[in-house]
Amino acid sequence: QKEVEQNSGPLSVPEGAIASLNCTYSDRGSQSFFWYRQYSGKSPELIMSIYSNGDKEDGRFTAQLNKASQYVSLLIRDSQPSDSATYLCAVNEGRGDKLIFGTGTRLQVFP
Amino acid sequence: SAVISQKPSRDICQRGTSLTIQCQVDSQVTMMFWYRQQPGQSLTLIATANQGSEATYESGFVIDKFPISRPNLTFSTLTVSNMSPEDSSIYLCSFGTPSTDTQYFGPGTRLTVL
Repeated sequence: QKEVEQNSGPLSVPEGAIASLNCTYSDRGSQSFFWYRQYSGKSPELIMSIYSNGDKEDGRFTAQLNKASQYVSLLIRDSQPSDSATYLCAVNEGRGDKLIFGTGTRLQVFP
Repeated sequence: SAVISQKPSRDICQRGTSLTIQCQVDSQVTMMFWYRQQPGQSLTLIATANQGSEATYESGFVIDKFPISRPNLTFSTLTVSNMSPEDSSIYLCSFGTPSTDTQYFGPGTRLTVL
């Protein structure tokens, strides 16, 4: 059974701090990795994709991938209360089109 | 990127009835997917909707319960048949971009079965 694991949280950080969200996956054949943000009552919104080992930065967001350790993370710098949401890690299944989702980490940013 | 919409946005249904959810993309896409998200849970893939052929269902989901149509490259429907309260969930469609495996989601349909 191919799995994607995340700590469910909640992860509570003060406004302005760095939030660190982590994800591990079991399928060594996975090539594509995604972070989605989901506000309560809304559908998932893609915020980052990463395909190569290392870091990828986009504004306040940095995705980090380590395929040897089967680990992908998301850093949110200068966290804002509007970042409070559930963050879903998704990994493609082998070389196919399907995505496997983690259970999500709930982030709370308090003023 | 393309815009994706779903109808209805929410519905309350009686057990034993069926509901058809529509998903429309404003441009042609190859891959469309249907997911279920039960309260407090993550997304579970129901099936991949293939244009011109039968949908490919994931383990635990069957065509009799969740028939899917994909008549063209911009549209798909999911029917939830013979509903029970356990089918109360959010149903989401998405489309994929084969070159990057990226998926974009519709706004979802919140279904409550009484």
